[in-house]
Amino acid sequence: NAGVTQTPKFQVLKTGQSMTLQCAQDMNHEYMSWYRQDPGMGLRLIHYSVGAGITDQGEVPNGYNVSRSTTEDFPLRLLSAAPSQTSVYFCASRPQTRGGYTFGSGTRLTVV
Amino acid sequence: KQEVTQIPAALSVPEGENLVLNCSFTDSAIYNLQWFRQDPGKGLTSLLLIQSSQREQTSGRLNASLDKSSGRSTLYIAASQPGDSATYLCAVRPDQGGSEKLVFGKGTKLTVNP
Repeated sequence: NAGVTQTPKFQVLKTGQSMTLQCAQDMNHEYMSWYRQDPGMGLRLIHYSVGAGITDQGEVPNGYNVSRSTTEDFPLRLLSAAPSQTSVYFCASRPQTRGGYTFGSGTRLTVV
Repeated sequence: KQEVTQIPAALSVPEGENLVLNCSFTDSAIYNLQWFRQDPGKGLTSLLLIQSSQREQTSGRLNASLDKSSGRSTLYIAASQPGDSATYLCAVRPDQGGSEKLVFGKGTKLTVNP
């Protein structure tokens, strides 16, 4: 049981480049979310999904896109990377019932 | 707007001590509260989940309590060990229809000295 798997673990991008952060879970969880963690700001919700085909914006969605074609996968796309997107990104999932969240190990992204 | 505060921001104790980490939240309308542990450069590991109808949860040397009416939760760690050194995060899930936003505190950085 791998839980929530994020790839890559580290990434350096140049300003203006695009990339996709991958997130997969094997727990058959309906709900999945993306957070970013920044010093002094804590964790902030970017986008979330309540099931395959359904996504919605969180607190800081600008510059990011998501899609949810399967229950297992929830990729986060950076359309045109900016230095302000330098952060650690966490994917999380939870079951539809009263369970708590399981987090992935994170992707540390640097935009230069 | 829900806000979560954790006090103290940092705590240093000698090995073997029992300790309490505090978490307070401004809006008592929560679905549940979750305590996490984060090691440097790592992800979040869930420690305990307390539903809004529960008063406490226990796992090994950890005990978390919840007083929803006063907006407080505590994480009690018994007989602390150097391996407990980490940042501890408290997060509440607001009880709002359709809300998937966990509201996090900024954490308490715990150092347990041998």
